[in-house]
Amino acid sequence: DIQMTQSPSSLSASVGDRVTITCRARQSIINHLNWYQQKPGKAPKLLIYAASSLQSGVPSRISGSGSGTDFTLTISSLQPEDFATYYCQQSYSTPRTFGQGTKVEIK
Amino acid sequence: QVQLQESGPGLVKPSETLSLTCTVSGGSISSYYWSWIRQPAGKGLEWIGRIYTSGSTNYNPSLKSRVTMSVDTSKNQFSLKLTSVTAADTAFYYCARELKEYYGSGVWHNWFDPWGQGTLVTVSS
Repeated sequence: DIQMTQSPSSLSASVGDRVTITCRARQSIINHLNWYQQKPGKAPKLLIYAASSLQSGVPSRISGSGSGTDFTLTISSLQPEDFATYYCQQSYSTPRTFGQGTKVEIK
Repeated sequence: QVQLQESGPGLVKPSETLSLTCTVSGGSISSYYWSWIRQPAGKGLEWIGRIYTSGSTNYNPSLKSRVTMSVDTSKNQFSLKLTSVTAADTAFYYCARELKEYYGSGVWHNWFDPWGQGTLVTVSS
């Protein structure tokens, strides 16, 4: 299995802040990396696929980058609707695996 | 657009079998991978496995001995069975479509979209 590790596990930020979440794979996954947002009581929602492709309907303040083992999700200017938990997921091989999640809270 | 809806018992007794069905609406179930993913309350996501509409499956090795997935294309449904459940299997269970897109040079990318709303299954006597 490919272990995925996110950092930090949680962060506090204010509206308007730039937020960066990191995801590291235990081995190279090239760019087979997806990001999801989950709000309480809801299913995860796809934000970014193939490391940097923005899913239709997702605001452009959200972006993804990286390749190999290190990846980043950036929110350029945090908005109230962005407070949620974010998960990375590798699609390089099965079993599909997820990071442990990063909870973005209001400061 | 395609929507997914999980259904099944919300309470299962220890040692019994958990059975869930996912109904796909707004599109055909054919020619896609369909996955089950679970999440204990307050915890992270665990991929259980997937089934292609041909019936081909891939299971998470951690659950493989207890998992069976099936698909019924005539009903636009796919199903999950998890045997010998314990309290550790208590979780929200999600179904999701795994989309696959060709990027050229033999490279395919896959991601989960959309997801069902999820259903809570509690294992308790």
